[in-house]
Amino acid sequence: SQQGEEDPQALSIQEGENATMNCSYKTSINNLQWYRQNSGRGLVHLILIRSNEREKHSGRLRVTLDTSKKSSSLLITASRAADTASYFCATDAFSWGKLQFGAGTQVVVTP
Amino acid sequence: GAVVSQHPSWVICKSGTSVKIECRSLDFQATTMFWYRQFPKQSLMLMATSNEGSKATYEQGVEKDKFLINHASLTLSTLTVTSAHPEDSSFYICSAQARGGGTGELFFGEGSRLTVL
Repeated sequence: SQQGEEDPQALSIQEGENATMNCSYKTSINNLQWYRQNSGRGLVHLILIRSNEREKHSGRLRVTLDTSKKSSSLLITASRAADTASYFCATDAFSWGKLQFGAGTQVVVTP
Repeated sequence: GAVVSQHPSWVICKSGTSVKIECRSLDFQATTMFWYRQFPKQSLMLMATSNEGSKATYEQGVEKDKFLINHASLTLSTLTVTSAHPEDSSFYICSAQARGGGTGELFFGEGSRLTVL
């Protein structure tokens, strides 16, 4: 069953703007990951944040985790057209590798 | 980074036929592989966990006799969709966990799109 819910479902922004998407989950987790998926392609791992971490950065990505609210956010700063993709959060509440994915946020960045 | 290859990347078949999808870890050994299914504009749903040398573990609601999984070596897992029907049309994605288990990094294949006519 799907663990997480994401919002917004879709996001349309212009290049240079920031994109923020949120993920909520239902059970306790070991860590939370964010993935990107270009249309019709596989998944690209973006970042992993452990349950004892609150914030993590990787390049233009910033992820926060609030375990008390069972939620996480992904911020993409200074977006580019190449950032156009669907973004999924995933948790491994049950065991490592058995990921439960959120519904995903479809991001469109227009030049 | 490590590469996971899926083959075929897309396949079209007639209803009633069986289709085999391969998932290979190209430069590492994978004791565990996972199979996901993704319907259009939806999220990935875990179907089963494939362990080298043992039977696969299926998620609730996934028919093990319909989706046959074989993990005969440390670099190859196969998913066979038996007697495929149009409702089986989907995007199938595998992921592989490097040997050593624990929190070994996961690598995803590029997916295989199945269309059943």
